[in-house]
Amino acid sequence: DGGITQSPKYLFRKEGQNVTLSCEQNLNHDAMYWYRQDPGQGLRLIYYSQIVNDFQKGDIAEGYSVSREKKESFPLTVTSAQKNPTAFYLCASSIGGGSGYTFGSGTRLTVV
Amino acid sequence: KQEVTQIPAALSVPEGENLVLNCSFTDSAIYNLQWFRQDPGKGLTSLLLIQSSQREQTSGRLNASLDKSSGRSTLYIAASQPGDSATYLCAVTGGGGNKLTFGTGTQLKVEL
Repeated sequence: DGGITQSPKYLFRKEGQNVTLSCEQNLNHDAMYWYRQDPGQGLRLIYYSQIVNDFQKGDIAEGYSVSREKKESFPLTVTSAQKNPTAFYLCASSIGGGSGYTFGSGTRLTVV
Repeated sequence: KQEVTQIPAALSVPEGENLVLNCSFTDSAIYNLQWFRQDPGKGLTSLLLIQSSQREQTSGRLNASLDKSSGRSTLYIAASQPGDSATYLCAVTGGGGNKLTFGTGTQLKVEL
């Protein structure tokens, strides 16, 4: 079955550490997105990519980095510059051109 | 900047009731509107996608309408069941990059 796989499901980060969240899709979608979800604030866009080897900042890109070397993969790195990284992170993909989005099951990141 | 508002923020109803969830958006220049369901600690499941040229979409007990000119959408749930308990999110797509802008959701509880 086609879908989006996010891993790990739970991730713990120590202060000053970089961590990478994985997102893989087998839907043959061109566009991929990373969102952050905090209680009471809804989902906010971190980064998005419409094509391989190209990506753009979203509304809250500071402290995050991404790469898009393959169509199927769009990993997100939470760097030490992100001062409040504890949140639920969701990856999504879309064919584009006004089509709907498909979301992964999320990664919950906690700073310890 | 697009803003999406969902009313009410929380709703509790007895089983069997028909109910309406509301979504409004400030910029009518959208490509489409999508309703999602989110269970606690889980990713988003797409319920209905309405293109900007459409007025409504139906799936089983769910019916979503779109009035693009007034910036409003409603999600109608018929004969509610305890299994419908979840957070319902409304999101619109527009602007460069086919980006989704989310509301903060309506938390629904259907009681026996």
